[in-house]
This record gives sequence, C-alpha cells and structure tokens, in this order.
Amino acid sequence: EAAVTQSPRNKVTVTGGNVTLSCRQTNSHNYMYWYRQDTGHGLRLIHYSYGAGNLQIGDVPDGYKATRTTQEDFFLLLELASPSQTSLYFCASRKGQNYAEQFFGPGTRLTVL
Amino acid sequence: GDSVTQTEGLVTLTEGLPVMLNCTYQTIYSNPFLFWYVHYLNESPRLLLKSSTDNKRTEHQGFHATLHKSSSSFHLQKSSAQLSDSALYYCALRNTGANTGKLTFGHGTILRVHP
Repeated sequence: EAAVTQSPRNKVTVTGGNVTLSCRQTNSHNYMYWYRQDTGHGLRLIHYSYGAGNLQIGDVPDGYKATRTTQEDFFLLLELASPSQTSLYFCASRKGQNYAEQFFGPGTRLTVL
Repeated sequence: GDSVTQTEGLVTLTEGLPVMLNCTYQTIYSNPFLFWYVHYLNESPRLLLKSSTDNKRTEHQGFHATLHKSSSSFHLQKSSAQLSDSALYYCALRNTGANTGKLTFGHGTILRVHP
C-alpha cells in the first residue's frame, strides 16, 4: 500500500500568517497533488507536480504557492493566510501511468482566524 | 474544460435498500478514465472503482459501475446498502488526451445509511 504522510495534521494561524504544509511520499511516484476539500465544493486541485522542480497550476491556485524539492517532498505555502483558506487539505501521489490511482495522505486541517 | 456532475448533496437510505449515485461527465476527449473514490470520516479518500472500457461492468467491495460513453455516465450502484457504506463519494475523470496528470473531481455525494 502506497504511503503518503502530511504534517502538521492540524494548524491554527491568524489572518496574514505564514503557513507551510508538508507532504512526503515514499512510493517513487512521479505525480504529487495538493487539494482542498470544502463542503459543497468537494476536492479542488490547488497545485500539482510531475517531478522534482516541476510545478503545475491547478484549478484554485490563488493565494497558494507550492514547491517540489525532491521526488518525495511537496510543500504548500500560504504566505498571507486568509480566513477563506480555512479548509481540509489533502496531498496525493500517483505513478505516471494514465490509469494509476491517486493515493491520499491523512489530511491537514487548517484554521485561519 | 472537463467537468463531472454527481448526485447533489446528501443521499439518505435505509439499510438494505439499493444504492444509486449518479455521475455524468463532459469532455472533448474520446478515451476518458473514470474513477469512484470513497472518503470515510476521519480517513483518507481512497479508490473504490475505476474503468476506461465502454459498457463493461466493474465491481469492488459490493459496489459496481459501468462506463457508458454514449451517455457520458458512470453511475455507482450497490444492491443493498449497509450502515458501513456511509461516506462521501467522489466521481472523477482523467483524460488520456489531455496528458496533464490531473483528475477532475465532482463535488461529492454524501451517502448516509440508517437502520
């Protein structure tokens, strides 16, 4: 079973704060993803990457930066957090094949006060 | 762009009744891959079913779905709901033509099964 870990699991910050969410996968997967999950919107893709140093824009990228430092590590950065970014964030990874499933991490619950 | 539409919001069922969660999709590409993911409370979303073959039924854990390209549908079904099926269900679309590595998810359907 593919393993994806996220840290922290819970985070509270204030408006304007600086937050970094971390994701690590040890499955040698090419692709990694950051999603946010909100009631009524489901899973929405923020950013994704197909390898170290690569970054692709997702569907809701505003207010977020991301960086893929290695094959294993993918970070999501909120440099000026806003209450609208309060959400449950999931990281996922998958192999490069078209039919490959995505494996999700346990999620990070972020609250911006 | 691509889109996925699911049964809206919350579906409430009595245990033992059949489950049907609708999923339709829109894409300009002719070879879509469709997925159903299930998200149980306090767990991570995980794959339930997947298919890329037209008119072929795929089954897993008592659930089944058939991709129908003619109607752009991939509905999730189960003959008899169990309490443990209560979860959030996502339908998702992946296009071979686009080669972006992206999945497009629907908004999700909450299934709540009661005794």
